[in-house]
Amino acid sequence: SQQGEEDPQALSIQEGENATMNCSYKTSINNLQWYRQNSGRGLVHLILIRSNEREKHSGRLRVTLDTSKKSSSLLITASRAADTASYFCATEPGSGSRLTFGEGTQLTVNP
Amino acid sequence: DTGVSQNPRHKITKRGQNVTFRCDPISEHNRLYWYRQTLGQGPEFLTYFQNEAQLEKSRLLSDRFSAERPKGSFSTLEIQRTEQGDSAMYLCASSLRGYGDTQYFGPGTRLTVL
Repeated sequence: SQQGEEDPQALSIQEGENATMNCSYKTSINNLQWYRQNSGRGLVHLILIRSNEREKHSGRLRVTLDTSKKSSSLLITASRAADTASYFCATEPGSGSRLTFGEGTQLTVNP
Repeated sequence: DTGVSQNPRHKITKRGQNVTFRCDPISEHNRLYWYRQTLGQGPEFLTYFQNEAQLEKSRLLSDRFSAERPKGSFSTLEIQRTEQGDSAMYLCASSLRGYGDTQYFGPGTRLTVL
């Protein structure tokens, strides 16, 4: 079953705006990872946040994790048309084990 | 070394035929994972290996599916007697146990069963 659930399912914004995507999960995790997938392509790893971390940054990306609410958010600042893709959160219950993905958020950045 | 590679990239087969996919992980990565993704869905876990040992198999992996990693390097995923419901993208990922546990994905093999 899908543990991670992304919200919203689809998001359309203008170039330069910020995009926020949310992810909720149900069971305990070791870490949570965000991936990007362009149409018909493989997944590109964006960022990993461990269960004992609350916030992490990587370039224009900011990820937060609230283990008490079992939720995470991905913020992309100053979006670009090239950011158009599907974004997935994936949870890992134990170190190096399976990932459980949500259904993803389809982000469209209009030029 | 350029990352995880998968072959073939596309496979079209007729129902009832057997197919085999290959995954070459990032060099020295000791964990290798297989996932399946259907259109509009997130990837679903199938199985994973640490070195040559298959550590976990999903219930999705029916008796028609078998995966091997004989020397702890590349892996193969075989589907016997394919069904139309097997049509999907098959993704492979690898990681280095104990070093961040980030899973790096290959480009996938798109299977179409006619």
